[in-house]
Amino acid sequence: DSGVTQTPKHLITATGQRVTLRCSPRSGDLSVYWYQQSLDQGLQFLIQYYNGEERAKGNILERFSAQQFPDLHSELNLSSLELGDSALYFCASSEGPSGTDPRETQYFGPGTRLLVL
Amino acid sequence: AQTVTQSQPEMSVQEAETVTLSCTYDTSESDYYLFWYKQPPSRQMILVIRQEAYKQQNATENRFSVNFQKAAKSFSLKISDSQLGDAAMYFCAYRSAYYGGSQGNLIFGKGTKLSVKP
Repeated sequence: DSGVTQTPKHLITATGQRVTLRCSPRSGDLSVYWYQQSLDQGLQFLIQYYNGEERAKGNILERFSAQQFPDLHSELNLSSLELGDSALYFCASSEGPSGTDPRETQYFGPGTRLLVL
Repeated sequence: AQTVTQSQPEMSVQEAETVTLSCTYDTSESDYYLFWYKQPPSRQMILVIRQEAYKQQNATENRFSVNFQKAAKSFSLKISDSQLGDAAMYFCAYRSAYYGGSQGNLIFGKGTKLSVKP
């Protein structure tokens, strides 16, 4: 158990809908990262937040957004869902205090499996 | 942009034997970090081992060791005394040492599925 929690574990929805994925980082971790794992694209970095602020952005679609709250949990919002958004969405948190040290280990949550029908 | 390539989609090893998983990467940077992550059927991503590019000594963690060849941009994982619990997907990942934009975050290969035969 990495200490990172994600809810829900599974989510089934229809095209055009909007969903919210939730992540709670390890105690004391200030950085949260979101990754998408799909059969086509593999594991891709989406976005990082550090202490409530967006720190880095990867291959995140405009239909997707995220935020990190004062209690440090994060939410990933996916809207206007398409079949191709079906994937496993991981949240990770890092142990370092600054969020910018590449030596920091990222600890991954168990993921949320999203199925868009 | 950096890329990570794992050329072996699937590998198989007999229990108690040794297996080596291959990974190559492409980068123009001189300072970076390399990782191997394990993803068992539970889907949890678990860090196996980490290598800093500025260190010439290969990292080891119990039965897991790497062969890091910086000039060849190669980073293979050796698993000794393979156990049934080692069966999983293994992902090689790259992380830049220079932070900015998306460069500081993990870039993954497509993965190698390892089966362990009893």
